Amino acid sequence: GENVEQHPSTLSVQEGDSAVIKCTYSDSASNYFPWYKQELGKRPQLIIDIRSNVGEKKDQRIAVTLNKTAKHFSLHITETQPEDSAVYFCAASRVNRDDKIIFGKGTRLHILP
Amino acid sequence: DAGITQSPRHKVTETGTPVTLRCHQTENHRYMYWYRQDPGHGLRLIHYSYGVKDTDKGEVSDGYSVSRSKTEDFLLTLESATSSQTSVYFCAINRDPGHQPQHFGDGTRLSIL
Repeated sequence: GENVEQHPSTLSVQEGDSAVIKCTYSDSASNYFPWYKQELGKRPQLIIDIRSNVGEKKDQRIAVTLNKTAKHFSLHITETQPEDSAVYFCAASRVNRDDKIIFGKGTRLHILP
Repeated sequence: DAGITQSPRHKVTETGTPVTLRCHQTENHRYMYWYRQDPGHGLRLIHYSYGVKDTDKGEVSDGYSVSRSKTEDFLLTLESATSSQTSVYFCAINRDPGHQPQHFGDGTRLSIL
């Protein structure tokens, strides 16, 4: 079955700098890759997603890149702000073959003042 | 926000007692999921459902059972609660796992003393 590895487990960046979180997946048939943000005590919420027919997607300060050949995808947050402090999860699934999305173990992002 | 309601939101109970958590959705989505979240383990899938009366096990299903008699309700039961089942439990729904993101409920904080 699919396996998703996420790195790093913890990341600290200075406010205003960029943060990058990387994930790799094992099944080359995976074609849908959502990212979730979870603030302390809250539920995970979708922040951005990408499908395998697209190499990059941006939404304001957030971008996701996908390298299908290498089977990895990354979340990029630019001009980080205190409210970006949270746990981020990547995930992967396969269209018409899976009933579930496989999650990485999460990255705790700290934005330092 | 997706129409997902988890109940109760908090529960404290004793070892050996039965516990049932309820997830109710108003989105008419086919797929429903139960996860537990513990520090250092991310989101771990307990059970999921792909339709009324259709359920399957996740990676940490031991000690848990589920039922889905109606599209809108997915129940998670701990037949005889143990302290190792102290956790935060999230329900999630999805219309199409291969194409669409999951949406999570607000979680249930369960403490087994």
